[in-house]
Amino acid sequence: EVQLVESGGGLVEPGGSLRLSCAASGFTFSHAWMSWVRQAPGKGLEWVGRIKSKPDGGTTDYAAPVRGRFTISRDDSKSMLFLQMSSLKTDDTAVYFCTTEGRLTCGVGCAEFLSDWGQGTLVTVSA
Amino acid sequence: QTVVTQEPSFSVSPGGTVTLTCGLNSGSVSSTYYPSWYQQTPGQAPRTLIYSTNIRSSGVPDRFSGSILGNKAALTITGAQADDESDYYCVMYMHSGLVLFGGGTKLTVL
Repeated sequence: EVQLVESGGGLVEPGGSLRLSCAASGFTFSHAWMSWVRQAPGKGLEWVGRIKSKPDGGTTDYAAPVRGRFTISRDDSKSMLFLQMSSLKTDDTAVYFCTTEGRLTCGVGCAEFLSDWGQGTLVTVSA
Repeated sequence: QTVVTQEPSFSVSPGGTVTLTCGLNSGSVSSTYYPSWYQQTPGQAPRTLIYSTNIRSSGVPDRFSGSILGNKAALTITGAQADDESDYYCVMYMHSGLVLFGGGTKLTVL
């Protein structure tokens, strides 16, 4: 059974930094594309970014609102995903979910959907 | 800027059929965007319902189905039940590689 457990959320002041972690189990983590998705209080879901598997290049993609401030990384030896957040703004207040990405028909080196989800960790940016 | 559009809200009677749609302000939706659908109840993590346009995720009842209708992706619930009352989000995988969520549809069953 796939399990994704996020941690590291909390209260941080504007301009501060925070690192979120996601512990993965139940699948071959090193082969998985992983994404972060967030949800501000009372708002919809927003994709934050992803990291591809190392066999597919290990590169990252980010949504425009976080590009240049957030960094996604992974430790395949520990089946861990990370989200380093810096220059935090009040608009970054949200529950952050880690997800796996799946593929069915798009071929190799691609993904088609968000598959499994963690329960999320709350980040509050406030003075 | 590309925006994924969804109806903000919809209602359906128990046992009824409802179709939620998902469009792109930049043009038509096709299977090349791999539209997918997610269900979320308050305080819970999202659940993957449909991916790659019309493939049901494991354990999803067959009253949920996905399709392309005209120039939009669609999620149809046939025989709606009370516990289908949730928020529904669609996702498009853009050709740039980025992922876009729609704003979500709040479905009421009454």
